Amino acid sequence: DADVTQTPRNRITKTGKRIMLECSQTKGHDRMYWYRQDPGLGLRLIYYSFDVKDINKGEISDGYSVSRQAQAKFSLSLESAIPNQTALYFCATSEGAANEKLFFGSGTQLSVL
Amino acid sequence: GQSLEQPSEVTAVEGAIVQINCTYQTSGFYGLSWYQQHDGGAPTFLSYNALDGLEETGRFSSFLSRSDSYGYLLLQELQMKDSASYFCANSNQAGTALIFGKGTTLSVSS
Repeated sequence: DADVTQTPRNRITKTGKRIMLECSQTKGHDRMYWYRQDPGLGLRLIYYSFDVKDINKGEISDGYSVSRQAQAKFSLSLESAIPNQTALYFCATSEGAANEKLFFGSGTQLSVL
Repeated sequence: GQSLEQPSEVTAVEGAIVQINCTYQTSGFYGLSWYQQHDGGAPTFLSYNALDGLEETGRFSSFLSRSDSYGYLLLQELQMKDSASYFCANSNQAGTALIFGKGTTLSVSS
């Protein structure tokens, strides 16, 4: 089984709909992250959490919210999806003093029509 | 602010050596990481340099010069399977999240 699991793998939704992407991990890491990937733009940080009570905004948090339900679970929500949120979304956990080693899930491809 | 610059594309032939450069601008610095991502896959960790110098892991090596705000990933004895995107990443503060460069697409031909 994968150590970092994202659901769903693919999702097509319509503009204005609320959508939640889920992430769970069995690595026992406290630190979890959500990144977005667009062609040519690399990976951009949306939100991160270093424990259940800690939530931090990343580079591009506008239009997104997160919930850290437990050490193992970190979900990303789009309250009202718009087409430019069409992207590949990755959840990750980390280890290392500088959080230098990330472990990524397989990604969720989201299309907003 | 924080930014990392990498070339967008690099091409090479099997058996060759290729160097992917990364320059960064950050108000603080806590090491440089490298990741590999194959088409359709998730990024995977390759290496990390906290201090100046060369780190070697098999065919891959990574170098860091903090005084020059510069690092590189060196891939030797290239194989077709090395065709992928490579990302450098760093954090500007201890205990914060990694910020990534836009990535370098490496194409290896026979």
